[in-house]
Amino acid sequence: SQKIEQNSEALNIQEGKTATLTCNYTNYSPAYLQWYRQDPGRGPVFLLLIRENEKEKRKERLKVTFDTTLKQSLFHITASQPADSATYLCALGDETGTDKLIFGTGTRLQVFP
Amino acid sequence: NAGVTQTPKFQVLKTGQSMTLQCAQDMNHNSMYWYRQDPGMGLRLIYYSASEGTTDKGEVPNGYNVSRLNKREFSLRLESAAPSQTSVYFCASSVGETQYFGPGTRLLVL
Repeated sequence: SQKIEQNSEALNIQEGKTATLTCNYTNYSPAYLQWYRQDPGRGPVFLLLIRENEKEKRKERLKVTFDTTLKQSLFHITASQPADSATYLCALGDETGTDKLIFGTGTRLQVFP
Repeated sequence: NAGVTQTPKFQVLKTGQSMTLQCAQDMNHNSMYWYRQDPGMGLRLIYYSASEGTTDKGEVPNGYNVSRLNKREFSLRLESAAPSQTSVYFCASSVGETQYFGPGTRLLVL
């Protein structure tokens, strides 16, 4: 069965540094991959989508890469701020063409001053 | 524009009781979803509705039923609640690939 892995351990970094989160998957060929942000007690919020034919996508301080050979996506937050502290979820687009997503368990990011 | 709304925010049930979780969206989206989120398990799809009048099972449908009442509303029913259904439930809607989530319902089954 398909499996999607995100680092379950929290990532702690200092303000101003670049945070890099990893999403790995197996037994799956997603047409696209998405990243969501989730704050405690709230629903996930969409951040970025990258398609299988795209290598990299940027939005302000966010950058996502997608390597379909390695079956891996990297999510970068440059010049990180304490307000970036949250859990970040990776989600794979359904390979059968519906709008369904398969979510990873998320990685908690803590940015300290 | 309220986006996706869910009621109730929090509920405590006894084993065997039934309840319906309500979800509504005002974005005119065709697709709607119900997920549950448990520690260490991530978001898991319970049911999915691609359009009004259609529903489809997700990864963990057992113990749940859904109704797509109209384009705006998608409800989730627990007929006989079990402690294993203690979780946080999220409703979402989508236009294309991007999903928009509600604030969640925290359910505790004793």
